[in-house]
Amino acid sequence: QQQVKQSPQSLIVQKGGISIINCAYENTAFDYFPWYQQFPGKGPALLIAIRPDVSEKKEGRFTISFNKSAKQFSLHIMDSQPGDSATYFCAASMGGAQKLVFGQGTRLTINP
Amino acid sequence: NAGVTQTPKFRVLKTGQSMTLLCAQDMNHEYMYWYRQDPGMGLRLIHYSVGEGTTAKGEVPDGYNVSRLKKQNFLLGLESAAPSQTSVYFCASSTPKGGRAGEQFFGPGTRLTVL
Repeated sequence: QQQVKQSPQSLIVQKGGISIINCAYENTAFDYFPWYQQFPGKGPALLIAIRPDVSEKKEGRFTISFNKSAKQFSLHIMDSQPGDSATYFCAASMGGAQKLVFGQGTRLTINP
Repeated sequence: NAGVTQTPKFRVLKTGQSMTLLCAQDMNHEYMYWYRQDPGMGLRLIHYSVGEGTTAKGEVPDGYNVSRLKKQNFLLGLESAAPSQTSVYFCASSTPKGGRAGEQFFGPGTRLTVL
């Protein structure tokens, strides 16, 4: 059972453009929604995260938008740069052991 | 701080062989996790531990066993490897306390091929 669905699978954006990746979840008990960035041959690293008591969180060029009623959240990368080219994963977890349920991943390519 | 380290980085096994993957963390984290990453499927949780001496099953536990005898180490074992276990394995750790509560820190991964 895929509890977190991510789209698109791949995305190509021109340098300076806006990259948008979307995720939808099913379990309303989730209370933590992180985005992870992964470069080839490396482990995932936390990029930005949000909790459902806010609708938006911004850190530099990265913004999470969260829609609790629609059970959706998205990552926006402003002024996308070639160094942002990586695979991005959304995830969700709920209290206790903080187990993460990941989306399928999006391979982002920023063309110079 | 080394963070989360994994040993080995690469391994090739034949069907039926056994092996143990070692994960170590130096952040004094209470929680540790093992995931596998397969193309198009994201990361899936195999087993996890919320403290020394305790382990629990995740989403895809069949064919794997784990042990957490020391707080800083989490071992993943394959008793009889199968080609379906060909994957990249990631270990992660986290703490429920402080400003970075809930953030999972990942190791560099182990690429396992089962022939």
